[in-house]
Amino acid sequence: GESVGLHLPTLSVQEGDNSIINCAYSNSASDYFIWYKQESGKGPQFIIDIRSNMDKRQGQRVTVLLNKTVKHLSLQIAATQPGDSAVYFCAGAPAKGAQKLVFGQGTRLTINP
Amino acid sequence: GAGVSQSPSNKVTEKGKDVELRCDPISGHTALYWYRQSLGQGLEFLIYFQGNSAPDKSGLPSDRFSAERTGGSVSTLTIQRTQQEDSAVYLCASSPGQVEAFFGQGTRLTVV
Repeated sequence: GESVGLHLPTLSVQEGDNSIINCAYSNSASDYFIWYKQESGKGPQFIIDIRSNMDKRQGQRVTVLLNKTVKHLSLQIAATQPGDSAVYFCAGAPAKGAQKLVFGQGTRLTINP
Repeated sequence: GAGVSQSPSNKVTEKGKDVELRCDPISGHTALYWYRQSLGQGLEFLIYFQGNSAPDKSGLPSDRFSAERTGGSVSTLTIQRTQQEDSAVYLCASSPGQVEAFFGQGTRLTVV
């Protein structure tokens, strides 16, 4: 079945630096991926998504890269700010047209002043 | 506009009791999900409703767990004979038919 995992459970970066959070998936038929941000005590919030027919998508200060060859995606946050401190989850839809999202374990991003 | 609403926000119950958790999705959203999140862990899929289709119950951990969605809107997750390992945050999300899901704030369940 589908599994989505993350390389590192924690990541610390200096304020102002760029952050890169990585995610691997196992199902090559996965068609859709989302990154969520979860702050303490809150539900996950949508950040950015990407479909399998794309390899890059940019948002405001965030970029998602998808490498289907190695089944890897990453979230890049530019000029990391204290408000970016949170747990970041990647999620994938395991088959084209299906909507059930499978989540990874998350990476806790900590910003050092 | 209103987002996904869950109630109660916190629930403390005694081991062996039944609990009901409620989710009010965003109006018009056809898909509804329940996930469970244990402390410091990721999101564990429980159940997924899409329109009038049969729900995907493949994530329910035991037959003590059940969920229903009445009229394609409000959903209730029921846990019978609660155990201490059921303690977690239960998150509900809804989707307009595209895959992006909007989450509620969750219900923190503590079984003592």
